[in-house]
Amino acid sequence: NAGVTQTPKFRVLKTGQSMTLLCAQDMNHEYMYWYRQDPGMGLRLIHYSVGEGTTAKGEVPDGYNVSRLKKQNFLLGLESAAPSQTSVYFCASSPRQNWGYTFGSGTRLTVV
Amino acid sequence: GIQVEQSPPDLILQEGANSTLRCNFSDSVNNLQWFHQNPWGQLINLFYIPSGTKQNGRLSATTVATERYSLLYISSSQTTDSGVYFCAVNILTGGGNKLTFGTGTQLKVEL
Repeated sequence: NAGVTQTPKFRVLKTGQSMTLLCAQDMNHEYMYWYRQDPGMGLRLIHYSVGEGTTAKGEVPDGYNVSRLKKQNFLLGLESAAPSQTSVYFCASSPRQNWGYTFGSGTRLTVV
Repeated sequence: GIQVEQSPPDLILQEGANSTLRCNFSDSVNNLQWFHQNPWGQLINLFYIPSGTKQNGRLSATTVATERYSLLYISSSQTTDSGVYFCAVNILTGGGNKLTFGTGTQLKVEL
């Protein structure tokens, strides 16, 4: 049972480039989330989804887009990368409201 | 939005010592979780505990929802307990099971 899988694990982008981070879960969870983690700031919610075909904004959504075309996948896109988006990105999933999260192993992104 | 404060921010223990980590939150919650982030960055869910007490081996947690705090107890600490411990909450009126995280307690357990 793989749980939550994130790809890629590391990436370096130049300012202005675009990329997509993939999150895949095999637990049939309804809810999925993207967080970013910056030093001294804990984790902050970027976007989330409560089911296939749905997405919603979190605390820090600017500069990111998401899609959930299939229940098991949640994609995070950076349209035009900026150095401020240098961070570690975590994907998580939960069965439904008021249940525990399972996190992926993270993607370390550097924008130069 | 809801405020989540964790204390202490940093903690150094000798192996075998016990410790208590605290999480205070500013609003009523329907979801509270404790996570451990190991030195390699992996986030592990320790407890889902919106109220009451739970135990798992050397770890236990208590949430007093009416007083808006939660405690994580680590007994007989080991070097493998090192890392950052996060408390995260979801407020009663919030949909989507969205968690707001505290800034964590950095724990180092030394031999």
